[in-house]
Amino acid sequence: AQSVTQLGSHVSVSEGALVLLRCNYSSSVPPYLFWYVQYPNQGLQLLLKYTTGATLVKGINGFEAEFKKSETSFHLTKPSAHMSDAAEYFCAVSHATGNQFYFGTGTSLTVIP
Amino acid sequence: EAGVTQSPTHLIKTRGQQATLRCSPISGHTSVYWYQQALGLGLQFLLWYDEGEERNRGNFPPRFSGRQFPNYSSELNVNALELEDSALYLCASTLTWGAEAFFGQGTRLTVV
Repeated sequence: AQSVTQLGSHVSVSEGALVLLRCNYSSSVPPYLFWYVQYPNQGLQLLLKYTTGATLVKGINGFEAEFKKSETSFHLTKPSAHMSDAAEYFCAVSHATGNQFYFGTGTSLTVIP
Repeated sequence: EAGVTQSPTHLIKTRGQQATLRCSPISGHTSVYWYQQALGLGLQFLLWYDEGEERNRGNFPPRFSGRQFPNYSSELNVNALELEDSALYLCASTLTWGAEAFFGQGTRLTVV
């Protein structure tokens, strides 16, 4: 069975500060991990993904995430928050032998000017 | 290449009526997912179709149903609408196992 836990349903950061959104997963097989972003009244857009290979993954808009197998984590970071980063962020897990996606409950990011 | 398209974008129904929502996946994608996103409740998994068959369904009553057509497009039907069914319904498609899901813009269903 697979599942995703996102710690913190709401995160606030100041503009220019570090963004850290936490995601932990459970999976009985090697996972494929994803971060999605959702702006108000829109669908979800892929930020970045990890399948195999390098554990530090760079995505769009300056975001990156690191797959840590020992910690079963895939936290999302950005060195300097921008006002346009305010959105809902979802972590998801899948794997190569089963197609179903499992999403976390989401983290709402607020950027304070 | 066209993305995932959903129709209609907005739908207003009266309690007790039926709603039909449609989704066209990206060309070549065979899997379609449906999610409900009610205000403040995150993404709730509804249904997963792959190669024309229902592979899994979430914890929703039977009045939520759907199907996938031979061209892999999909339809979500909600019968006997209730006020709490008001939500954004999102459809996503994937190419193959493990590949990323691509989302449509959603259908905003309002039940009055």
